[in-house]
Amino acid sequence: GAGVSQSPRYKVAKRGQDVALRCDPISGHVSLFWYQQALGQGPEFLTYFQNEAQLDKSGLPSDRFFAERPEGSVSTLKIQRTQQEDSAVYLCASSLILAGWNTGELFFGEGSRLTVL
Amino acid sequence: GNSVTQMEGPVTLSEEAFLTINCTYTATGYPSLFWYVQYPGEGLQLLLKATKADDKGSNKGFEATYRKETTSFHLEKGSVQVSDSAVYFCSSSNDYKLSFGAGTTVTVRA
Repeated sequence: GAGVSQSPRYKVAKRGQDVALRCDPISGHVSLFWYQQALGQGPEFLTYFQNEAQLDKSGLPSDRFFAERPEGSVSTLKIQRTQQEDSAVYLCASSLILAGWNTGELFFGEGSRLTVL
Repeated sequence: GNSVTQMEGPVTLSEEAFLTINCTYTATGYPSLFWYVQYPGEGLQLLLKATKADDKGSNKGFEATYRKETTSFHLEKGSVQVSDSAVYFCSSSNDYKLSFGAGTTVTVRA
């Protein structure tokens, strides 16, 4: 389809396992964002890419979280040694517009719901 | 940093009723303000926006006015439909990061 695609949609992991969440942004979109949404809360910013460059990773909660976008299109969010507090929906969003000028025109995927047992 | 506080839900209404969802913000400078909506089974999507004081954003019969004096951006719709059932998020931004409220679940009954 033409929208932002995320996979897997649902992931159950045992505590201590590593997980990888994939985001396929809209073709040609320069900016890519990851957000974390805990149950009953609004999304919280994790990290931002402009093409392949990770310009802001200030929202990543710990060094167990790592994101990459090596070719400036698909992005992967990796969580090492998962903990129960990592359980959340992870949202990916992309935008045609460069950072510094937020018109709010972000296109969000449906999210990957991670449950850590 | 920026933060947003919005009315808690859930909100249940009958079709054609008036809907208002309150939202207030705290921010440095003059943020842009947004309402995002999430319909069942879909991703977040931008509903409307306002980028400066006194601007009114509107879309699909929804309106919100950027009120600097009250730091508010309340969402309103005069006559809701069943298809408006969704989760609504108020959001603000000074740059490329969005700060979201906790979301308000709205259910419209036929």
